[in-house]
Amino acid sequence: ELKVEQNPLFLSMQEGKNYTIYCNYSTTSDRLYWYRQDPGKSLESLFVLLSNGAVKQEGRLMASLDTKARLSTLHITAAVHDLSATYFCAVDAVGGNEKLTFGTGTRLTIIP
Amino acid sequence: EAGVTQFPSHSVIEKGQTVTLRCDPISGHDNLYWYRRVMGKEIKFLLHFVKESKQDESGMPNNRFLAERTGGTYSTLKVQPAELEDSGVYFCASSSGPRYTFGSGTRLTVV
Repeated sequence: ELKVEQNPLFLSMQEGKNYTIYCNYSTTSDRLYWYRQDPGKSLESLFVLLSNGAVKQEGRLMASLDTKARLSTLHITAAVHDLSATYFCAVDAVGGNEKLTFGTGTRLTIIP
Repeated sequence: EAGVTQFPSHSVIEKGQTVTLRCDPISGHDNLYWYRRVMGKEIKFLLHFVKESKQDESGMPNNRFLAERTGGTYSTLKVQPAELEDSGVYFCASSSGPRYTFGSGTRLTVV
């Protein structure tokens, strides 16, 4: 059974600081996803990582994937208050379009 | 394109009652999924439709849950009778290719 571990669960950081969220998964997978969720809202797709060594950046967020280590990271650079949200990683089974297995989520709070 | 639509957005029902959640996927998406997040826990897979067929229903917790997808378009998830532990947020997603699009969820509270 595919397991996805995400840490930390809670993260409170000051504006302007850098931090990293980690996502480990237990078995071979083709795809790794990062989502953002604001309270009461949908899961917003941030990144789709499709191969070993993939790195994607959007604004202050950068995601990377190491399939050999079964590890993905979401790095936040110079955090701003607008980034406060819950972030989830999710892994797609080999072959794709089957089902996503999610991490527990990281609730990120940016303090002014 | 229109996104994935779910309704109701909130539902509060008494234990033992029946509730039906609806999901309208993105038009043309053959794959439709239901997920659930119970308070404070991870988002868990419930089931997967390909068009009108159930591809995988391994995540359905028990036979009080019934999912249908009429004509391969919208889907419903019925809980009958509802129990307290069914409370949570139910998400629907659809996909075509490697990207999944999620609805905003239905928050179900069973009292």
